[in-house]
Amino acid sequence: GIQVEQSPPDLILQEGANSTLRCNFSDSVNNLQWFHQNPWGQLINLFYIPSGTKQNGRLSATTVATERYSLLYISSSQTTDSGVYFCAVGEGNSGGSNYKLTFGKGTLLTVNP
Amino acid sequence: DTAVSQTPKYLVTQMGNDKSIKCEQNLGHDTMYWYKQDSKKFLKIMFSYNNKELIINETVPNRFSPKSPDKAHLNLHINSLELGDSAVYFCASSRLRGEAFFGQGTRLTVV
Repeated sequence: GIQVEQSPPDLILQEGANSTLRCNFSDSVNNLQWFHQNPWGQLINLFYIPSGTKQNGRLSATTVATERYSLLYISSSQTTDSGVYFCAVGEGNSGGSNYKLTFGKGTLLTVNP
Repeated sequence: DTAVSQTPKYLVTQMGNDKSIKCEQNLGHDTMYWYKQDSKKFLKIMFSYNNKELIINETVPNRFSPKSPDKAHLNLHINSLELGDSAVYFCASSRLRGEAFFGQGTRLTVV
């Protein structure tokens, strides 16, 4: 199966700082998603981004599928951004019969006031 | 309206018991999944169903049995619970190969 590596594993920021999280994957993928797991354990969809660039408020993401990586940018971070950020890639055959999301190990982000 | 809902949110039970977790989605998706999150936060797929048919079973012990009565529901039944089964279990749904949405998770503690 596909290997998904996220970096850095841990990140500590002061409120207001910017950051970039990276996701590398080992093979072609059908799609890619970024999630935020908040301190209460909920998995929140951030981006569905098989390729290209998307922005949503202070967050943006870029996936370069041909080079097998994706980046998540967080600008002007807030304490509520704390939590684990997961990258997940979709893999499976062309018919989709064995499609699944494979997750990276996540980046634990702590934003201090 | 909650898109993917699972019950219960917390489950504490003794070793050897049998328990079930229920999942329902109202997104009209045709594919549903069960994921397990271990103590190190790693998320791994257990099962995937497409149109009520099992399409992925990722080497999960046969004490775990998923059941999909219809496209909107995917339940997980666990027999003879063991200490190592303690984890957070997430249900998810998507259109096949589409964006996946997750439930709020069920924290299972086996004592």
